[in-house]
Amino acid sequence: DAGVTQSPTHLIKTRGQQVTLRCSPKSGHDTVSWYQQALGQGPQFIFQYYEEEERQRGNFPDRFSGHQFPNYSSELNVNALLLGDSALYLCASTLRDRNQPQHFGDGTRLSIL
Amino acid sequence: GESVGLHLPTLSVQEGDNSIINCAYSNSASDYFIWYKQESGKGPQFIIDIRSNMDKRQGQRVTVLLNKTVKHLSLQIAATQPGDSAVYFCAEKLAGTGRRALTFGSGTRLQVQP
Repeated sequence: DAGVTQSPTHLIKTRGQQVTLRCSPKSGHDTVSWYQQALGQGPQFIFQYYEEEERQRGNFPDRFSGHQFPNYSSELNVNALLLGDSALYLCASTLRDRNQPQHFGDGTRLSIL
Repeated sequence: GESVGLHLPTLSVQEGDNSIINCAYSNSASDYFIWYKQESGKGPQFIIDIRSNMDKRQGQRVTVLLNKTVKHLSLQIAATQPGDSAVYFCAEKLAGTGRRALTFGSGTRLQVQP
């Protein structure tokens, strides 16, 4: 039973570019959340998707956008990249139940030069 | 917004000893709490969770204690092993159907000395 998978594992971009990160949820999960984790810090919530719509959003600018597909997989897009966007981007999936643990992938390490 | 915090950034223990990692949360509206373990280069791994209607929950070698009166959460690891070395995060979730985002603390690094 595959867990949460993310691609790519590493990515290097320059300021001003755009990036797309991808996530496949754990089998049986229908809800995907994205988090940003800066070095030495805890993950910060970006947004959550289920039923192909953004359901909740954290304190991130609209340069950060996403999408969920009918098969529950998801993409995170970031436009006009800034140096401060360098971080580990984590995807987590769960069933759409209030109190179920979110299961995380190993993330995409994004470096902005 | 309010966030979860941790008392100790680094905890060093001897192999075989018990470890206790503490966490303070500030939002009394949180109804679900999770402990995650994160090893270098990997994503957070679920360890154990607890709902706000409980004050203790046990797993394999781990116990989570919840004290709602003082808004405190702890993770106890019995007979700590070198493989337990990692960063541990507590996370909280607000009650309500529209609030399923997790709020994480900054983490505690557990170092197990052989």
